[in-house]
Amino acid sequence: DARVTQTPRDKVTEMGQEVTMRCQPILGHNTVFWYRQTMMQGLELLAYFRNRAPLDDSGMPKDRFSAEMPDATLATLKIQPSEPRDSAVYFCASGEQGALYNEQFFGPGTRLTVL
Amino acid sequence: AQSVAQPEDQVNVAEGNPLTVKCTYSVSGNPYLFWYVQYPNRGLQFLLKYITGDNLVKGSYGFEAEFNKSQTSFHLKKPSALVSDSALYFCAVRVWKAAGNKLTFGGGTRVLVKP
Repeated sequence: DARVTQTPRDKVTEMGQEVTMRCQPILGHNTVFWYRQTMMQGLELLAYFRNRAPLDDSGMPKDRFSAEMPDATLATLKIQPSEPRDSAVYFCASGEQGALYNEQFFGPGTRLTVL
Repeated sequence: AQSVAQPEDQVNVAEGNPLTVKCTYSVSGNPYLFWYVQYPNRGLQFLLKYITGDNLVKGSYGFEAEFNKSQTSFHLKKPSALVSDSALYFCAVRVWKAAGNKLTFGGGTRVLVKP
């Protein structure tokens, strides 16, 4: 069955390094979300796209984070430079038109550890 | 601003007993309410939603939730819990027709069903 895929599943890196996380939304879904999950902050929305255009990235630290959708099958979240406080699980989710009112389908997440 | 509160960090219940996970919300308009479940090392999975209509909503895996406007609550229930229901449960809210508003998640409630 159709699933959201994310790579890598786990990433360990050193402070200052660039990190790129990738997401393949479910085919036909036109809305993509990036979330970050930590014990302290819970689940936070970082950014979302509709038809590849960013609609809201106010939850994302602008100085080091960037999110893009080069095409309809790929969404990327980049951190440059990474910091230990960025350690978290990053989830991508996708949905159909009207996804903000309907269910979102989550990927398995990328567990990022910044040393 | 919209917010969601899940007052219990953890709920313990014996297998076969009723399960209730509490959720209250605060919004300035008509809410869309959701429940998601997260199993270990997995992304969130949609359980059910309330948009409008009948206050009792039935969802996946035998779960249901009751929307109570006067109490601003949307508690998740299951008549007879299974060990496999042990997971992290998230309540979420989005304001109806409020363009640009985000889906806001509660902090999560960990459910432990003991045999």
